[in-house]
Amino acid sequence: SAVISQKPSRDICQRGTSLTIQCQVDSQVTMMFWYRQQPGQSLTLIATANQGSEATYESGFVIDKFPISRPNLTFSTLTVSNMSPEDSSIYLCSVSGGTDTQYFGPGTRLTVL
Amino acid sequence: EDQVTQSPEALRLQEGESSSLNCSYTVSGLRGLFWYRQDPGKGPEFLFTLYSAGEEKEKERLKATLTKKESFLHITAPKPEDSATYLCAVQQRAAGNKLTFGGGTRVLVKP
Repeated sequence: SAVISQKPSRDICQRGTSLTIQCQVDSQVTMMFWYRQQPGQSLTLIATANQGSEATYESGFVIDKFPISRPNLTFSTLTVSNMSPEDSSIYLCSVSGGTDTQYFGPGTRLTVL
Repeated sequence: EDQVTQSPEALRLQEGESSSLNCSYTVSGLRGLFWYRQDPGKGPEFLFTLYSAGEEKEKERLKATLTKKESFLHITAPKPEDSATYLCAVQQRAAGNKLTFGGGTRVLVKP
């Protein structure tokens, strides 16, 4: 399976600011995904990051709040914009390389004060 | 509405005490059911994919089975290192590669 890294691993931010999370994979992958895991909760898909086109967002998530870039087949970024304490979560990227299985990165733990 | 429900929410076991975790789903057009293990502070680790009713997969002390309405993850003679949160997720044919996760089962195995 692919080796996935995320930066930063954790951050503490002030409300109203924005944070960009990076996801790097050690091999080219077809699909990359961004999930949110709120405290004590399970994972919820935010969007699918498509290479060469705009991301596809799930219901309840919008591009203005969570802009995503996918400049190539090994890298993606998720920005959490105009943050509020409700955005405090773990943000996870996952990848799928042509099979149905998704492999997850280690996550970014975000705390918004 | 499509749903994935895991039970119990938490499970405390003595080392060697076998048990089963349940994942029930109400989705149309199941493409696959996935089991993951998540340790505190880490991303989910892939365990199994099941595609059709009657299918079984095994890995060490874990065995996953699938019926038309639910999946079970059996833990045989667990060890303390099996302590983790176990997540199941479903993928629908009409939803591309999207995974819909259940709430997870927190398993604690005491020595």
